[in-house]
Amino acid sequence: DAKTTQPPSMDCAEGRAANLPCNHSTISGNEYVYWYRQIHSQGPQYIIHGLKNNETNEMASLIITEDRKSSTLILPHATLRDTAVYYCIVRGGPYGQNFVFGPGTRLSVLP
Amino acid sequence: DADVTQTPRNRITKTGKRIMLECSQTKGHDRMYWYRQDPGLGLRLIYYSFDVKDINKGEISDGYSVSRQAQAKFSLSLESAIPNQTALYFCATSEGGATYNEQFFGPGTRLTVL
Repeated sequence: DAKTTQPPSMDCAEGRAANLPCNHSTISGNEYVYWYRQIHSQGPQYIIHGLKNNETNEMASLIITEDRKSSTLILPHATLRDTAVYYCIVRGGPYGQNFVFGPGTRLSVLP
Repeated sequence: DADVTQTPRNRITKTGKRIMLECSQTKGHDRMYWYRQDPGLGLRLIYYSFDVKDINKGEISDGYSVSRQAQAKFSLSLESAIPNQTALYFCATSEGGATYNEQFFGPGTRLTVL
C-alpha cells in the first residue's frame, strides 16, 4: 500500500484558506487519494477523494499533482469548527479494503 | 437518527473478561469494518466483511474475533481482554462494488481494560 506523509500540525487564521499538503510518492496508477477529518475523538468524517483530476465539493477542494505524487486539500474559508486532525489516505489492498490512517495533520484554526 | 451506531459508547472492564462491541447501520451498505485507534495515532483495521458470508482479517486481528449477524450488524469480540486493548474502536461501512467508495464511520466505543 502506498504510504502518505503529512506535517504533524498547522495553524490557519479564521476566514483564510487552509492548505494541507500530503506526499504519496509511491502511489500506484489505480489508487485513489482520500481525505478524512476527525474532530476530537469522534468518528472520522469523509471530506473528498480523487484519482487524477482536481476535485471540488461543498466542503473542500483537492488538488493532485500531475505525477500524482502529492496532493493538497484546500478549505477555502476556514472556520473554528474546522479545527481537527486531517488524514490523507491512499486506499490500498486488492479490493480497496485498506484505509491506512497515519497520524494526520492537526489543523488549528485561530480566531 | 445516526446511520452507523455503536454500543456501548464507553466500557470499562477487567483483564480476562469477554467483551462484545456492537455495530448497526441503516445505510444498506454491504461492507463493514472494525478499526481501533490508540492515542495520537491513526486508525488501524482489525477485521472487515464484504457481505454476510465474508469475513477477513485486517492488519491487527490477533486477540479479536467478529460476527456478521446480518447485513446491518457487525460485532467485534475480545475473548479475553488485556490492558493493551484499551483504545477507541470505530465501526465503518461502505457500499459494495467500486473500490473507491468512501467509508462512513460510527461515533466510536471507548474501551478501557484494567
